Amino acid sequence: SQQGEEDPQALSIQEGENATMNCSYKTSINNLQWYRQNSGRGLVHLILIRSNEREKHSGRLRVTLDTSKKSSSLLITASRAADTASYFCATASSGNTGKLIFGQGTTLQVKP
Amino acid sequence: GAGVSQSPSNKVTEKGKDVELRCDPISGHTALYWYRQRLGQGLEFLIYFQGNSAPDKSGLPSDRFSAERTGESVSTLTIQRTQQEDSAVYLCASSPALGGGGREQYFGPGTRLTVT
Repeated sequence: SQQGEEDPQALSIQEGENATMNCSYKTSINNLQWYRQNSGRGLVHLILIRSNEREKHSGRLRVTLDTSKKSSSLLITASRAADTASYFCATASSGNTGKLIFGQGTTLQVKP
Repeated sequence: GAGVSQSPSNKVTEKGKDVELRCDPISGHTALYWYRQRLGQGLEFLIYFQGNSAPDKSGLPSDRFSAERTGESVSTLTIQRTQQEDSAVYLCASSPALGGGGREQYFGPGTRLTVT
């Protein structure tokens, strides 16, 4: 079963606008990660935020984590057509496996 | 350097046949994971390898599914007596960490399995 839920399921914006995607999860976590997937194949790791962190930046990406609400958000600023993809949040729980539990994903379309 | 590779990239098989899917992780990565992704869905965890051992097989959906890893490198996922509901993209990922709460994972391009 999936750990998280993401919203919106689909998002369409114009190039240059910001895109915000949200993720909620159910159990305690060690860290939360965001991945991008193009064309339904391999995933690319974007950013990892640990449970003791509240905000993290990487280039045009900003991730927040609220462990009290069990939620995270991914903000992509100044979006580009190349950002068109599906975005997934994934949680890693405490323990030694490191397996990731994925949300259902948000499909982002950035129109040129 | 080389990333995670998977073969075949696409596999079409008849219901009831067995299939083998291969994953070559990044050299030196100790942890290896298999996931399944049905159309339009997120990824479902199948199995985790630490070295050649599989301490977590909790995601394997039935006893028709098995996996092994040799030489702390190549892994093979085998599905016996395939069913139509096995149709999905099977993704392999590797990580340099021995679990320990999780680090970023590096994904292969996946094998798209279609059972007719």
